[in-house]
Amino acid sequence: GEDVEQSLFLSVREGDSSVINCTYTDSSSTYLYWYKQEPGAGLQLLTYIFSNMDMKQDQRLTVLLNKKDKHLSLRIADTQTGDSAIYFCAPTPGNTDKLIFGTGTRLQVFP
Amino acid sequence: DAGITQSPRHKVTETGTPVTLRCHQTENHRYMYWYRQDPGHGLRLIHYSYGVKDTDKGEVSDGYSVSRSKTEDFLLTLESATSSQTSVYFCAIRRRVAGGPASPDTQYFGPGTRLTVL
Repeated sequence: GEDVEQSLFLSVREGDSSVINCTYTDSSSTYLYWYKQEPGAGLQLLTYIFSNMDMKQDQRLTVLLNKKDKHLSLRIADTQTGDSAIYFCAPTPGNTDKLIFGTGTRLQVFP
Repeated sequence: DAGITQSPRHKVTETGTPVTLRCHQTENHRYMYWYRQDPGHGLRLIHYSYGVKDTDKGEVSDGYSVSRSKTEDFLLTLESATSSQTSVYFCAIRRRVAGGPASPDTQYFGPGTRLTVL
């Protein structure tokens, strides 16, 4: 089945950019998603990218997709303390609606 | 807000007891899902439903059953809880991402239920 890997932790200074990386094994996803989970809460959809795109920008968020290397990244510009959360990468292998989640990257923003 | 509530939000129970978690949605979505979240594993799909009385297994379905007798409610039952089922359980519905008819459908999550099995 699909394997999705993310590094567990990322620590950045407020105002800097954050880059959260994700690698996956199944290249058949039509859409790939990023979700954010704040402490004690459910997952909220942040953004997504269609597989025929290599970049998508949405305000402070930039998603980069390298299909050849099966690598997805999420860049957050001007990171704020409110961005501290766990970020999950979720491809949808097999062109289905089934999300396969990575382990999540815990982003900590310090002043 | 996807109009999803989960109950209870917290529960402590003992090994061997039955437990039922409820997911309730107000927007009449056809697809509903149950996940568990554990450290180091992300979210893993337990069961899902594609309509009233229509359910199927996910990747970690052993020890769990589900029922969907009404569109708005999806119940997850642990027939005889074990300590390995201590986890945070999330329900999700599937709906279109805001942004127009070309947007994909994806999953929107409830607030979760923290279950501790002693």
